Amino acid sequence: DAGITQSPRHKVTETGTPVTLRCHQTENHRYMYWYRQDPGHGLRLIHYSYGVKDTDKGEVSDGYSVSRSKTEDFLLTLESATSSQTSVYFCAITGTTRTGELFFGEGSRLTVL
Amino acid sequence: GQQLNQSPQSMFIQEGEDVSMNCTSSSIFNTWLWYKQDPGEGPVLLIALYKAGELTSNGRLTAQFGITRKDSFLNISASIPSDVGIYFCADQYSGGGADGLTFGKGTHLIIQP
Repeated sequence: DAGITQSPRHKVTETGTPVTLRCHQTENHRYMYWYRQDPGHGLRLIHYSYGVKDTDKGEVSDGYSVSRSKTEDFLLTLESATSSQTSVYFCAITGTTRTGELFFGEGSRLTVL
Repeated sequence: GQQLNQSPQSMFIQEGEDVSMNCTSSSIFNTWLWYKQDPGEGPVLLIALYKAGELTSNGRLTAQFGITRKDSFLNISASIPSDVGIYFCADQYSGGGADGLTFGKGTHLIIQP
């Protein structure tokens, strides 16, 4: 298994509260991604990082911010959670973009009441 | 952005049956990737295709990269209970890879006893 740890794995919070999800890798991979998975939508890219302090927006970035201060950690922050952000969030990593192979974490299930 | 159309959305089959699913796009792709997601886990790469017309097998799985470069299919022969899950097709974003993968909405495979 790729060394990816997501935390927390489950979280219930209230609308308007800030939430931070953490992705930690032990593979020293350069590229890291945050996806959300929702019924009927599949997996959609939120933000990605191509190096320390190098990040960019994905398809569904509104309401989310990210930070990567170390190679091993990629944080996803919801500044003020909304019910539409209830989802399962997956972190993915890869050391190369040539093959298309991403290694995914086990997911973080977030419920916003 | 790129859109991938996967069909069928779900399949209910008997153990031992063969399975076929496909993915189409309005854009020309340079790669086709097939991922599988087991319940409660992140997706895992099954097969990667990099050339039009390419036919690749991985055990009971066979996938092909369409000649038009706008479609791909995945076949599973003699299905077994552990084949249950969601199958996604994917391609790299047009940016060339660092910006992650675009996923289809998935085909849910359910095997009836």
